[in-house]
Amino acid sequence: DGGITQSPKYLFRKEGQNVTLSCEQNLNHDAMYWYRQDPGQGLRLIYYSQIVNDFQKGDIAEGYSVSREKKESFPLTVTSAQKNPTAFYLCASSIEAGPTYEQYFGPGTRLTVT
Amino acid sequence: AQSVSQHNHHVILSEAASLELGCNYSYGGTVNLFWYVQYPGQHLQLLLKYFSGDPLVKGIKGFEAEFIKSKFSFNLRKPSVQWSDTAEYFCAVNEGYSTLTFGKGTMLLVSP
Repeated sequence: DGGITQSPKYLFRKEGQNVTLSCEQNLNHDAMYWYRQDPGQGLRLIYYSQIVNDFQKGDIAEGYSVSREKKESFPLTVTSAQKNPTAFYLCASSIEAGPTYEQYFGPGTRLTVT
Repeated sequence: AQSVSQHNHHVILSEAASLELGCNYSYGGTVNLFWYVQYPGQHLQLLLKYFSGDPLVKGIKGFEAEFIKSKFSFNLRKPSVQWSDTAEYFCAVNEGYSTLTFGKGTMLLVSP
């Protein structure tokens, strides 16, 4: 069954700790993305990667880091430098569809930092 | 930079009422337009998309949207909503193979 998995569903951390969110896809998609979703803010792009070993900053990359060592995996690290880390994090991957890419989303990880 | 405006942050309707959710974008060039839906506890999923051609596009679950280029709009419609349409709806835009820009979302609550 193809899809995008994110684990865990809920994550709790103490302030000052780095935390890594997992995202795996078995859709054979080249591009992967991380978004942050806050109430009333929509989805904001953190990082994206179009090929293995390459990634670009999105609109709100400060305080986050990523790696793309395998096509299937795109983990996101929320560092202690991120001022407001508590949020719902969505991972996506995309496939070429006509004149653009069509994105598919994972179930998300809700991170709470206290 | 592109921006996407969804004018209604919260909409409350009774079952069988008609729905129209507004979406306007700022970019004046050739755009690709999307509506996504997030049902409670479920993945964000694609409702419908517009690339070119007929400006009236039909999506899943009886939804449709109309692209009006002169108004920079891509409003989502459904003639008769059901309780199961309760969800958050996001409009998104991009140009070519660029990244998507999302609106802030509209939370729709349908009362039975």
